[in-house]
Amino acid sequence: GNSVTQMEGPVTLSEEAFLTINCTYTATGYPSLFWYVQYPGEGLQLLLKATKADDKGSNKGFEATYRKETTSFHLEKGSVQVSDSAVYFCALKGNTPLVFGKGTRLSVIA
Amino acid sequence: DAGVIQSPRHEVTEMGQEVTLRCKPISGHNSLFWYRQTMMRGLELLIYFNNNVPIDDSGMPEDRFSAKMPNASFSTLKIQPSEPRDSAVYFCASSLAGLANTGELFFGEGSRLTVL
Repeated sequence: GNSVTQMEGPVTLSEEAFLTINCTYTATGYPSLFWYVQYPGEGLQLLLKATKADDKGSNKGFEATYRKETTSFHLEKGSVQVSDSAVYFCALKGNTPLVFGKGTRLSVIA
Repeated sequence: DAGVIQSPRHEVTEMGQEVTLRCKPISGHNSLFWYRQTMMRGLELLIYFNNNVPIDDSGMPEDRFSAKMPNASFSTLKIQPSEPRDSAVYFCASSLAGLANTGELFFGEGSRLTVL
């Protein structure tokens, strides 16, 4: 079945550091890929998405590229801020509802 | 526009009591999902509905859990009797179904359940 594996957290970075959160997937067919973010005390919200191979999703300075050859969708940001502290979830959608990874907690310190 | 509305936000109850969680999806959305979030297992899909009809309830942990969607604007998740291991945050999410579905889910703020 479809599954998503993302790096274990927590990740702690200083402000303005570079961020990478790894995500790999297993799926049949051609799924769409997503990153969701959950701020403290809130529900998940869509951060970015990509629907086909080599697509790059981007939002709020975050980027991720759909790599079919490596079945990956790594999340990156060049310079993190304290306000980026949250839990980040990689997810995929094939012909079933969204399947989520376990989440990676990011803490950014000033 | 109002988002997905869940109630209660917090519930503390004793083992054996009945718990009912409520959800109002975004108007016009015809798919509704119930998820459970715990530290150990992450985010698990419990059940989802299309056009008020349950499509897949294979994630419901056991018979103590039941969910209903009597109309397009309301759904409940009931646990009876509740147990301490049911303690978690329960999220409701909604989306468009069929060809209009881009894959994006819209989540409520969650109901944090603590069973003592």
